[in-house]
Amino acid sequence: GQQVMQIPQYQHVQEGEDFTTYCNSSTTLSNIQWYKQRPGGHPVFLIQLVKSGEVKKQKRLTFQFGEAKKNSSLHITATQTTDVGTYFCAGYDYKLSFGAGTTVTVRA
Amino acid sequence: GAGVSQSPSNKVTEKGKDVELRCDPISGHTALYWYRQSLGQGLEFLIYFQGNSAPDKSGLPSDRFSAERTGGSVSTLTIQRTQQEDSAVYLCASSPLGTSGRRYFGPGTRLLVL
Repeated sequence: GQQVMQIPQYQHVQEGEDFTTYCNSSTTLSNIQWYKQRPGGHPVFLIQLVKSGEVKKQKRLTFQFGEAKKNSSLHITATQTTDVGTYFCAGYDYKLSFGAGTTVTVRA
Repeated sequence: GAGVSQSPSNKVTEKGKDVELRCDPISGHTALYWYRQSLGQGLEFLIYFQGNSAPDKSGLPSDRFSAERTGGSVSTLTIQRTQQEDSAVYLCASSPLGTSGRRYFGPGTRLLVL
């Protein structure tokens, strides 16, 4: 069955720095979704990518879908304390499968 | 508008007791999902409803777990003879379209089995 892998599992970032988290699927995806879960909260939808090579931006967040539609990345620039949380990707082929998440902590 | 609601928000029970967790999806959302999240872990899929039917029950960990949905709306997840390893946050999500659509998650029920 489909597997979605996310790396790194943990990301410790100095405030103001950039970082990237990656998502890789074992199968070709119809779409990929990204969610953010704040500590103690529930996952909240951020974005969905559908097209090969698609790039979408939300303020300091840049999401990319790979050309082969098997991988995706989330790049955050100028990290702030509000970026703390766990970022999940979820890939859809015939079923939506969530990655294990990247947990982000920020050093002020 | 109102989001997905879940009750209770917290539940403490003794090993061997049965528990019922409730999910009230966003009005009009035909698809409903249950997930389990253990401390510091990812999202484990349990079951998916389309309307009142459950086409995918593949994630239910054992026959102690069951779920139903009535009126195409409220869903109940029942865990019989709870075990300590059942302790987790149980998240419900709904979506207006099919399984490819975004999930709207509820706040979860935090279950602790003593």
